[in-house]
Amino acid sequence: GQNIDQPTEMTATEGAIVQINCTYQTSGFNGLFWYQQHAGEAPTFLSYNVLDGLEEKGRFSSFLSRSKGYSYLLLKELQMKDSASYLCAVLDSNYQLIWGAGTKLIIKP
Amino acid sequence: NAGVTQTPKFQVLKTGQSMTLQCAQDMNHEYMSWYRQDPGMGLRLIHYSVGAGITDQGEVPNGYNVSRSTTEDFPLRLLSAAPSQTSVYFCASSYSPQGGGRTTGELFFGEGSRLTVL
Repeated sequence: GQNIDQPTEMTATEGAIVQINCTYQTSGFNGLFWYQQHAGEAPTFLSYNVLDGLEEKGRFSSFLSRSKGYSYLLLKELQMKDSASYLCAVLDSNYQLIWGAGTKLIIKP
Repeated sequence: NAGVTQTPKFQVLKTGQSMTLQCAQDMNHEYMSWYRQDPGMGLRLIHYSVGAGITDQGEVPNGYNVSRSTTEDFPLRLLSAAPSQTSVYFCASSYSPQGGGRTTGELFFGEGSRLTVL
């Protein structure tokens, strides 16, 4: 079966760095996506990786290792507004998105 | 641009009632989809469409119907509501990959509809 694993909850301090991991087992691979979802709101697209390596976008970076079935989202200089759930999703061989359950990130002052 | 517009935002139904969740997008996206989101679970695909007149089932289609008569609109119908359908529903759209396929993976979501079935 297809499976995406990510931690349920993480806590970090304002101004610090946090890494949210995601491991996956899917039928084929056409890209890995990270979405941010604030409580009570819709998910919004953050990043996309299809080749191995690091993609940087401001304070956020996303890394992919296809051979290991592994990705992480790195958030630097954490701000209170970064408190949200972060969803990992993989586009499989049928171009269907497979979603993880999400990681709730709590930022403390 | 409005993006993806989804209504209603909140709805309470009694078991056995039917209703329609509306979804419209103004980005000329080929791909549209409906998800439900439940605590502790990933987003689960209910139905999707890759163009007007084309619909297909997702992971959890039972109890729901869809139609796609235009590129812009993709309503979701609950035929006979059950308490197990209490959830938050999201409509999402995207471009389809060049050369065919479903979604590019970069989804644009509506604001969500919180449905409670008593």
